[in-house]
Amino acid sequence: NAGVTQTPKFRVLKTGQSMTLLCAQDMNHEYMYWYRQDPGMGLRLIHYSVGEGTTAKGEVPDGYNVSRLKKQNFLLGLESAAPSQTSVYFCASSYTGRGRPAGELFFGEGSRLTVL
Amino acid sequence: GQQLNQSPQSMFIQEGEDVSMNCTSSSIFNTWLWYKQDPGEGPVLLIALYKAGELTSNGRLTAQFGITRKDSFLNISASIPSDVGIYFCGGSQGNLIFGKGTKLSVKP
Repeated sequence: NAGVTQTPKFRVLKTGQSMTLLCAQDMNHEYMYWYRQDPGMGLRLIHYSVGEGTTAKGEVPDGYNVSRLKKQNFLLGLESAAPSQTSVYFCASSYTGRGRPAGELFFGEGSRLTVL
Repeated sequence: GQQLNQSPQSMFIQEGEDVSMNCTSSSIFNTWLWYKQDPGEGPVLLIALYKAGELTSNGRLTAQFGITRKDSFLNISASIPSDVGIYFCGGSQGNLIFGKGTKLSVKP
């Protein structure tokens, strides 16, 4: 019953450092997403993927890169971390739209990132 | 761009009270969803609504898809302490967008 697993759960970075957040899902979902959650801002979409090898920008993509080399994994990278990227990051996955209404997302437990 | 206005932003509940929250938008959606986020966890889907006017229940939770397709509400009856958390509405026309959440806390 793993569902959506995010690693690491916590990380502290210094400004300018790079890091990668890993998301893995075992539900054979086509779609995967990365959100960030900040107080009072709700969930904002960073990047998403509609299938292996494809990615697309969301609402707040600047400063982040993503890759979907395998269907079950979706990586979020910060090349040069900034304090403004201090946030809680959530990965999510969902079925394709065909026969399945969009929006039924399954979320991971979150990764708390602090950039000093 | 599309926006969801979720209200109230926060509210305090006393055990046994009924709770109501809603989401409105200037845009039409094909699907409305309600999620709950417990502290330190990711959001979990509570109710999904697919047709205008649809009223769906999940235990003590009831949600409705507005007739105009521009709004939805969520009611919680006879609240209990484990109802605390953040509730998010979501609207979808293919791409899902979220409201900013309603935070439920227990009255001191």
